Amino acid sequence: EVQLVESGGGLVQPGGSLRLSCAAAGITVSNNYISWVRQAPGKGLEWVSVIYSDGDTYYADSVKGRFTIFKDNSKNTVYLLVNSLRIEDTAVYYCARDPNGDPDAFDIWGQGTMVTVSS
Amino acid sequence: EIVMTQSPATLSVSPGERATLSCRASQSVSSKLVWYQQKPGQPPRLLIYSASTRATGIPARFSGSGSGTEFTLTISSLQSEDFAVYYCQQYYNWPPYTFGQGTKLEIK
Repeated sequence: EVQLVESGGGLVQPGGSLRLSCAAAGITVSNNYISWVRQAPGKGLEWVSVIYSDGDTYYADSVKGRFTIFKDNSKNTVYLLVNSLRIEDTAVYYCARDPNGDPDAFDIWGQGTMVTVSS
Repeated sequence: EIVMTQSPATLSVSPGERATLSCRASQSVSSKLVWYQQKPGQPPRLLIYSASTRATGIPARFSGSGSGTEFTLTISSLQSEDFAVYYCQQYYNWPPYTFGQGTKLEIK
């Protein structure tokens, strides 16, 4: 079965850090684009970051310099290191697959992991 | 950055009727437009890509149209399971992969 499974969320104080994981099954992260998309409570979808098959990475302006995306092909897992967390980073964090243009869309999504930033 | 604007924010429609949702891009995205459906407590599900191509397993009552800056998602005869939030996303100039703010489709 093709699936993405996120983990690593939790309650953290402002300024804290977490490492989110996105474990893939049935697909290989080495030849797919994997993005992180977040959704604050009761709000819409916000794209956060992407890592391409060649390892290139990009970030939304709102997280640039604080979040780092990387992958371990041997574990078939993509990670999002979230540092210097702010109240407004509170959200469900989803990882999603873009199959390099076939189609041009996020066709597989994980169930999400909740990050709560609160003192 | 391309800004995506959806309208209306909330749409009330009776089961069996047609629903029409709109998405506008701040600049042309050609046909690189995607629609997702999201139900409470679930991740988004891919419905339509390339403005009008249904994803695998999506019923024929869902159709997408448009190009350039104006796009429409039509659900021809609403079923109970179709009441959800719908998001559009541009796939023309990325990153960032920008989403609209969503349209909530509710039962009238």
